Amino acid sequence: AQSVTQPDIHITVSEGASLELRCNYSYGATPYLFWYVQSPGQGLQLLLKYFSGDTLVQGIKGFEAEFKRSQSSFNLRKPSVHWSDAAEYFCAVASYSSASKIIFGSGTRLSIRP
Amino acid sequence: GAVVSQHPSWVICKSGTSVKIECRSLDFQATTMFWYRQFPKQSLMLMATSNEGSKATYEQGVEKDKFLINHASLTLSTLTVTSAHPEDSSFYICSAPGRAPNTEAFFGQGTRLTVV
Repeated sequence: AQSVTQPDIHITVSEGASLELRCNYSYGATPYLFWYVQSPGQGLQLLLKYFSGDTLVQGIKGFEAEFKRSQSSFNLRKPSVHWSDAAEYFCAVASYSSASKIIFGSGTRLSIRP
Repeated sequence: GAVVSQHPSWVICKSGTSVKIECRSLDFQATTMFWYRQFPKQSLMLMATSNEGSKATYEQGVEKDKFLINHASLTLSTLTVTSAHPEDSSFYICSAPGRAPNTEAFFGQGTRLTVV
């Protein structure tokens, strides 16, 4: 069965600092991988996705993620965070046979220090 | 782009009553839809897969008699929380597959259910 692990429950970074959110997945084959963001009381917004091809994926709002098969990881990065980036971030996985049946990680809450 | 509309966005109901949540694909057909539940400060847990014209497939631990799913048309799936209790208070969100094969799902805006 597919699973996603986000080891960091809560991260605080200073505004303007770089960010890396960790994500590890468990799946027998190459999965589809996603990062979603959720602001308090809001729905989900897709930041980026990896289906195939270039392992470095560019997303919206200046985010990027790198798929590393050898480490079963899909970490999210941003070179300089803004106060508006404070939110909950979910890494997610789906199988090749059903890209829409998405399994979410436990989430990482990002706080921004002024 | 494709849009999934969920209604209502929030609802408050009395304990013991039933609540229906609708999930519509607005400009495309969806033979499959997915329902998730998110408790406060937790992740989204897949509850069930809704299948047009047939029974829903429930994830382990989800009570099918309590969470009734109906997918009577290609654009509408409904989730009915029957005999709701305060512990059912949660954020419920649906999704539908993208139109092209192997594309990501489109999520509804979510429904915040509060049972008092």
